[in-house]
Amino acid sequence: ETGVTQSPTHLIKTRGQQVTLRCSSQSGHNTVSWYQQALGQGPQFIFQYYREEENGRGNFPPRFSGLQFPNYSSELNVNALELDDSALYLCASSLGRMDIQYFGAGTRLSVL
Amino acid sequence: DQQVKQNSPSLSVQEGRISILNCDYTNSMFDYFLWYKKYPAEGPTFLISISSIKDKNEDGRFTVFLNKSAKHLSLHIVPSQPGDSAVYFCAAPTQGGSEKLVFGKGTKLTVNP
Repeated sequence: ETGVTQSPTHLIKTRGQQVTLRCSSQSGHNTVSWYQQALGQGPQFIFQYYREEENGRGNFPPRFSGLQFPNYSSELNVNALELDDSALYLCASSLGRMDIQYFGAGTRLSVL
Repeated sequence: DQQVKQNSPSLSVQEGRISILNCDYTNSMFDYFLWYKKYPAEGPTFLISISSIKDKNEDGRFTVFLNKSAKHLSLHIVPSQPGDSAVYFCAAPTQGGSEKLVFGKGTKLTVNP
């Protein structure tokens, strides 16, 4: 059974650019959640997708957007990158909205 | 406003001894709690959970205790092993159906041989 995989592992962008991060959920999981983990902090919830619909959003501006595809994989898009967007972005999948979330290894984004 | 707080950024213990990691929460509506462990360059891994209808949950060397009146939970690891060295996060799902997890800042545990 394949776990949650994220790509790319590392990414360097400049301020103002746009970025797309990808996540493949664990087999059988229909729910994907995205988190941002800044240095020295715990993960912060960005949003969750359940069966291709957004199902909850944290305190992040609209320039953070996402998609979930019919195979339940997901993308996180960030427009107009700012220096403070530099962080580890974690994707987690679960069997359903109320189940244990299993995390990928994350994408380390650096904004210069 | 941090709803889940881990006030100890780090903890160092000797192999074989007990490790106790603490977590406090402010939201009395929280009714389920999880502990995740994170190694460098890996994602958080689910470790153990507890529902508010219990005050203790045990899984092998790991036990989580919940004190609802104090809004406090703790994770005990006995005996501690060097492989337990990692960052431990306490988390709670908020209500509303999306199971958004709210995390503490984490405690870095170092188990010395």
